[in-house]
Amino acid sequence: KAGVTQTPRYLIKTRGQQVTLSCSPISGHRSVSWYQQTPGQGLQFLFEYFSETQRNKGNFPGRFSGRQFSNSRSEMNVSTLELGDSALYLCASSLGASAGNEQFFGPGTRLTVL
Amino acid sequence: GENVEQHPSTLSVQEGDSAVIKCTYSDSASNYFPWYKQELGKGPQLIIDIRSNVGEKKDQRIAVTLNKTAKHFSLHITETQPEDSAVYFCAAIFNSGNTPLVFGKGTRLSVIA
Repeated sequence: KAGVTQTPRYLIKTRGQQVTLSCSPISGHRSVSWYQQTPGQGLQFLFEYFSETQRNKGNFPGRFSGRQFSNSRSEMNVSTLELGDSALYLCASSLGASAGNEQFFGPGTRLTVL
Repeated sequence: GENVEQHPSTLSVQEGDSAVIKCTYSDSASNYFPWYKQELGKGPQLIIDIRSNVGEKKDQRIAVTLNKTAKHFSLHITETQPEDSAVYFCAAIFNSGNTPLVFGKGTRLSVIA
């Protein structure tokens, strides 16, 4: 069974640009959650999608947005990039809604903002 | 607010010794506590989890204990091996499961051969 895949694995952007990251969950999983990982803040929750609906949202500005498609694949978008957005962005999928269900993480997308 | 404190931030042990990582949480209604291991260049991987209706769970060299009264849970790794070297994260579900996982800041474990 294929694991969670994320594309691209590495990305370099400049301030002010926008970026779209993609996540393909494990087949049959309907929930996708996104996290930002930085050395200083650790793993911080961005949002969760379940059956194409945003179920939960973390404490991030509106520049961070996401969506989920009918095949459960998810994308997140960051507009007007800032230097502080440099981080590892992880997505995790689970069979049902994330609470209490095992989450399987992808390898992440390393975003560098110059 | 919802918070998970994890200690220590770094831990070095000799191969064969035991390692213990401790976490405390703020919400007494939390009922799911997973532990993740993250190796360099990879995403976190679930290694063990425990729910509030049990006090201890073991899986080979790994065990987790939960003390709901004191609101803390711990990861125990026995007979450590170099491949156990990684960053370990504890996490908890708050608000009776209606919010996503909240993670501790992580512990970098180094097993010295």
